[in-house]
Amino acid sequence: GENVEQHPSTLSVQEGDSAVIKCTYSDSASNYFPWYKQELGKGPQLIIDIRSNVGEKKDQRIAVTLNKTAKHFSLHITETQPEDSAVYFCAASRSPGTASKLTFGTGTRLQVTL
Amino acid sequence: NAGVTQTPKFQVLKTGQSMTLQCAQDMNHEYMSWYRQDPGMGLRLIHYSVGAGITDQGEVPNGYNVSRSTTEDFPLRLLSAAPSQTSVYFCASRGYTEAFFGQGTRLTVV
Repeated sequence: GENVEQHPSTLSVQEGDSAVIKCTYSDSASNYFPWYKQELGKGPQLIIDIRSNVGEKKDQRIAVTLNKTAKHFSLHITETQPEDSAVYFCAASRSPGTASKLTFGTGTRLQVTL
Repeated sequence: NAGVTQTPKFQVLKTGQSMTLQCAQDMNHEYMSWYRQDPGMGLRLIHYSVGAGITDQGEVPNGYNVSRSTTEDFPLRLLSAAPSQTSVYFCASRGYTEAFFGQGTRLTVV
């Protein structure tokens, strides 16, 4: 089955700096890669996703890049703000679609300090 | 929209007790799943369902049962609680891409 590794497990940055979280996956058939943000006491929420036919996707201050050859993808957050502090999870699945299981990474706790 | 609703939010059980964690969604999603979240281990899939009447095991199914009699509901049953089942449990339902998670149930087994 799919295995997703995520690094680092914790990340502390100063407000205004950039943050990068990296994930690798093992199943070469995976082609859908979402990122979730989990705030304290809440369930994860989707913040951005990318499909394998795209190398990069941006949404305001967040971006995701995908390297299918190397089987890794990354989340980039620019101009970090205190409200970016949360746990971030990457995930992978074989396809978008209701029958596809999502396999999650182990999470990165991001702390943005003032 | 309510999205995904989980109850209860908190629960303390004694070893050997049984209980059911409730999950309901109002988005008419066929795919629903249960995860447990433990420190340093991310979200691990317990059971999932691709539609009413269809369930299957995930990565860590032992000690848990599920059923799916309707599209809306997907309860998770702990048959005989053990301290190793102390965790935060999340129910999720999924459309074509995005998975929507409930608020979680924090379960402690003493």
